[in-house]
Amino acid sequence: DTAVSQTPKYLVTQMGNDKSIKCEQNLGHDTMYWYKQDSKKFLKIMFSYNNKELIINETVPNRFSPKSPDKAHLNLHINSLELGDSAVYFCASSQMYSPSPLHFGNGTRLTVT
Amino acid sequence: AQTVTQSQPEMSVQEAETVTLSCTYDTSESDYYLFWYKQPPSRQMILVIRQEAYKQQNATENRFSVNFQKAAKSFSLKISDSQLGDAAMYFCAYRDSNTGNQFYFGTGTSLTVIP
Repeated sequence: DTAVSQTPKYLVTQMGNDKSIKCEQNLGHDTMYWYKQDSKKFLKIMFSYNNKELIINETVPNRFSPKSPDKAHLNLHINSLELGDSAVYFCASSQMYSPSPLHFGNGTRLTVT
Repeated sequence: AQTVTQSQPEMSVQEAETVTLSCTYDTSESDYYLFWYKQPPSRQMILVIRQEAYKQQNATENRFSVNFQKAAKSFSLKISDSQLGDAAMYFCAYRDSNTGNQFYFGTGTSLTVIP
């Protein structure tokens, strides 16, 4: 059973397009995250939701909009894609106020041409 | 915000030898959690080992062990009997027990295993 699953695995699109990445976790965690990993492998937090409520909103262009319909799902919608958005995007989940580590999805490699 | 520092961007080790990856962190908290993650070329993020700050005993998982020095705020990862499959990017991560939601990652160490 996949614990954190995100789709698609690969996304190739042109500048200016809008795209979405979906994420679901079946671990019963109350907190979900989006991370961006750039070409230098730096992991940068973008957003975090706890029980559908936005709790972390780092300095991210407002072209990026997260949506959490319930605590098991966190989607990421990106408008007007730019070349600099090319990266690997990871969804992750954890349980707040516990020793739980982050459980990561397998990542989505986004390539903007 | 807490910071996590991995001062070795790249390391290499001969197969079957032992290597230690360093990690230091900055915090004023007394209770927190520390983790090491492995990211092989497949890009999957795999939890290697975890340590709870209140536990004095160093965590061990098979060939992986940590040297946790709370006073020095140091959390190094030792890989014994290195195998080709250990080649990966390794990330150190910190989590407060009080604020609970934020994880802080180091910049990673790329480990090469030489046959």
